[in-house]
Amino acid sequence: DQQVKQNSPSLSVQEGRISILNCDYTNSMFDYFLWYKKYPAEGPTFLISISSIKDKNEDGRFTVFLNKSAKHLSLHIVPSQPGDSAVYFCAASDTNAGKSTFGDGTTLTVKP
Amino acid sequence: DAGITQSPRHKVTETGTPVTLRCHQTENHRYMYWYRQDPGHGLRLIHYSYGVKDTDKGEVSDGYSVSRSKTEDFLLTLESATSSQTSVYFCASGLGGTQYFGPGTRLLVL
Repeated sequence: DQQVKQNSPSLSVQEGRISILNCDYTNSMFDYFLWYKKYPAEGPTFLISISSIKDKNEDGRFTVFLNKSAKHLSLHIVPSQPGDSAVYFCAASDTNAGKSTFGDGTTLTVKP
Repeated sequence: DAGITQSPRHKVTETGTPVTLRCHQTENHRYMYWYRQDPGHGLRLIHYSYGVKDTDKGEVSDGYSVSRSKTEDFLLTLESATSSQTSVYFCASGLGGTQYFGPGTRLLVL
């Protein structure tokens, strides 16, 4: 059973608009959540994270929201830029176990 | 960014042969991980290590083994390669939260 789900395999937005990427999880033991960005032929790179004690974390154009009761997190990118076009992976971590579980990824395309 | 490298970057091998992929990190991270990425499956954990000589299985460990004799090196071995192990393999390291990934190894098993 998949513990971390990204239900949208792809998303297309216009440059300058908001991109919203969603992620759902099932395991209540997860206490740290991360988003990674991946360009073709490269390894994923860390983008932003949030602890389970918070409901929002912001870093420039990127904001992650966490709704623990719904077991849902989202990544907002405002404004979206063509260089943001990539695959975005959501990950959930049980920090006591030292490992993360990844979603299948959402391919974001930002059109000029 | 964490200094993490993988070798080789590309490999073609034949079914039934053993294959070893190497991961090297220079950040003195305690944890190291091996993932495979396949279309439609995201990143799936094969094995991970929480210290020298301390390793554990991930969700897709069958047919793979690992070794970690030094903090900086984590080896992944395909004991007898099969076509289903054709994939892109990523190594990562970290302190238990954020992970830092290598550039990947593209493996083709014929």
